[in-house]
Amino acid sequence: EVQLVESGGGLVQPGGSLRLSCAASGFTFSSYSMNWVRQAPGKGLEWVSYISSSGSTIYYADSVKGRFTISRDNAKNSLYLQMNSLRDEDTAVYYCARVIVGATKSSWYLDLWGRGTLVTVSS
Amino acid sequence: QSVLTQPPSVSAAPGQKVTISCSGSSSNIGNNYVSWYQQLPGTAPKLLIYENNKRPSGIPDRFSGSKSGTSATLGITGLQTGDEADYYCGTWDSSLSVGVFGGGTKLTVL
Repeated sequence: EVQLVESGGGLVQPGGSLRLSCAASGFTFSSYSMNWVRQAPGKGLEWVSYISSSGSTIYYADSVKGRFTISRDNAKNSLYLQMNSLRDEDTAVYYCARVIVGATKSSWYLDLWGRGTLVTVSS
Repeated sequence: QSVLTQPPSVSAAPGQKVTISCSGSSSNIGNNYVSWYQQLPGTAPKLLIYENNKRPSGIPDRFSGSKSGTSATLGITGLQTGDEADYYCGTWDSSLSVGVFGGGTKLTVL
């Protein structure tokens, strides 16, 4: 079955760190770019980060730049998000999503999503 | 504030048609393809439309998409109560080098 399964969420204090993982199965993970997208409680979708299939190209939203690090291990079919210096406003469900992207990114869309993992930042 | 602008809510009766708009700029919608996502209550988003007007396998032709200039539109015909969900448009912003979504539109089928 083609799927993405996130893990690693939980309760963390402001200023703390957390590492999210996303396990891919049912498709050739190393052939696809991947994204993290988050959704704060009762709010809309917010794009967080992008990583190319090889890991050589990475982008971040301004809201997380310098605090979050996206990475992947193609041998383990896994995507990661290292989150440091966490703030209250980082509280959200974090989704791992497979992205289909054209050479110039004129075509960019998320065709497979995980169920998400909840991160709560609170003292 | 989302980079792409959607109406917060739309509503229509079962069997009717509804459209949801998504407005952006030349750096995102104006020069890139638009995708649409459906998020049913308590679930993860699902791809509904990609590259402006293409439907993934399994998405009924009641759902359609179009784009003109810096705006895009999602259309849903033959509304069903099961279509009640939040709908999001998305694209890549070439100037900012970031993915962008609309704020979401809540569809109510009266």
